[in-house]
Amino acid sequence: EVQLVESGGGFVQPGGSLRLSCAASGFTFSTYWMSWVRQAPGKGLEWVANIKQDGSEKYYVDSVKGRFTISRDNAKHSLYLQVNSLRAEDTAVYYCAKTTSTEDAFDIWGQGTMVTVSS
Amino acid sequence: DIVMTQTPLSSPVTLGQPASISCRSSQSLVHSDGNTYLSWLQQRPGQPPRLLIYKISNRFSGVPDRFSGTGAGTDFTLKISRVEAEDVGVYYCMQATQSYTFGQGTKLEIK
Repeated sequence: EVQLVESGGGFVQPGGSLRLSCAASGFTFSTYWMSWVRQAPGKGLEWVANIKQDGSEKYYVDSVKGRFTISRDNAKHSLYLQVNSLRAEDTAVYYCAKTTSTEDAFDIWGQGTMVTVSS
Repeated sequence: DIVMTQTPLSSPVTLGQPASISCRSSQSLVHSDGNTYLSWLQQRPGQPPRLLIYKISNRFSGVPDRFSGTGAGTDFTLKISRVEAEDVGVYYCMQATQSYTFGQGTKLEIK
């Protein structure tokens, strides 16, 4: 079964850090671009970052540049998001998403991990 | 950045009746490779998003054929031929032509 399972979310104070993880199974992880997408409570979806198959290219939405870092470990079939200097507006469910082979859509999504930033 | 605008934001529908959601982009979604990277996702209550349609009109694996997508350039439509109870949720359009952006979402509910 194709599956993505996120972990690492939690409650953190403004300025704090977390490392989100996404474990992939059921497909050849190393051959797909992967993304993180977030959803603030009661709000819509926002793409956050993505990473090429070999990790050589990474892209971010402007609001997280310099604060978030996406990475992957193909040997462990895992995707990561290091989130630093967290702000209240980063509060959201963070989803891991697999990109299709033609990079035109997100075809597999995890259940998400909640990040709450509050003092 | 490409802005995606969906209408309506809420759509009460009678079971068995059709439903239609529109999505307009702030600029053409035709990529330099000739493809148009517009997809539709469904998010049922308490669930992650699920891919329904990609590249305007291609149904993803396992998606019922009552879902269909049409459009070109900057204007796109998702149609459900006969709404079923399991279709309740929020529907998003998404463009992947230039980075990735989503519409605000359209909430489909049963009258």
